[in-house]
Amino acid sequence: DTGVSQDPRHKITKRGQNVTFRCDPISEHNRLYWYRQTLGQGPEFLTYFQNEAQLEKSRLLSDRFSAERPKGSFSTLEIQRTEQGDSAMYLCASSLAGGGVVAYEQYFGPGTRLTVT
Amino acid sequence: AQKVTQAQTEISVVEKEDVTLDCVYETRDTTYYLFWYKQPPSGELVFLIRRNSFDEQNEISGRYSWNFQKSTSSFNFTITASQVVDSAVYFCALSETNFGNEKLTFGTGTRLTIIP
Repeated sequence: DTGVSQDPRHKITKRGQNVTFRCDPISEHNRLYWYRQTLGQGPEFLTYFQNEAQLEKSRLLSDRFSAERPKGSFSTLEIQRTEQGDSAMYLCASSLAGGGVVAYEQYFGPGTRLTVT
Repeated sequence: AQKVTQAQTEISVVEKEDVTLDCVYETRDTTYYLFWYKQPPSGELVFLIRRNSFDEQNEISGRYSWNFQKSTSSFNFTITASQVVDSAVYFCALSETNFGNEKLTFGTGTRLTIIP
């Protein structure tokens, strides 16, 4: 059973360019999450999906960020008109769907490190 | 709003010593889950444990043990007989469930260095 994979692992881009990251979750997981982690901080929640439905977006997520999970499998995170403040590690995680009063553990991918110059 | 505090930014201990990592949380929810993750130098977050708010029994897994105390809103993590491979950043995280979103709220992490 393979884990969560992310592509690319590293991305260097110039300010103002658009970037897109991909996440492939664990196959039987219907929940998929995106987090962002900056140096010395814990991951911060950005958005999550159950199957193909995007159920919540963080208020931290500006309009330049968009995420999709078109067939309920892999997901993409796009950042338009990148800014230097977008430089961070972008983490993807997946889990089984909880619901009610159950929350399952999330398994994380290796992350995509974005550097905006 | 939910919050997780890991007051210890960095800890260094000599190999084979025991070490405890502290985690204090805040939540309005009556049903919630607590987690610990390890982030080694390679960068990938590794799941260690999940505990729900109704289960206050301490848990032991090999050299790892966890102490959950609702009265003090703490979920501390102890490594016994530490090893160099335990060197990593450790994160405590909280997930509320009554509001339907199981997103994780992380603390700022504790960097643990085991000195050989």
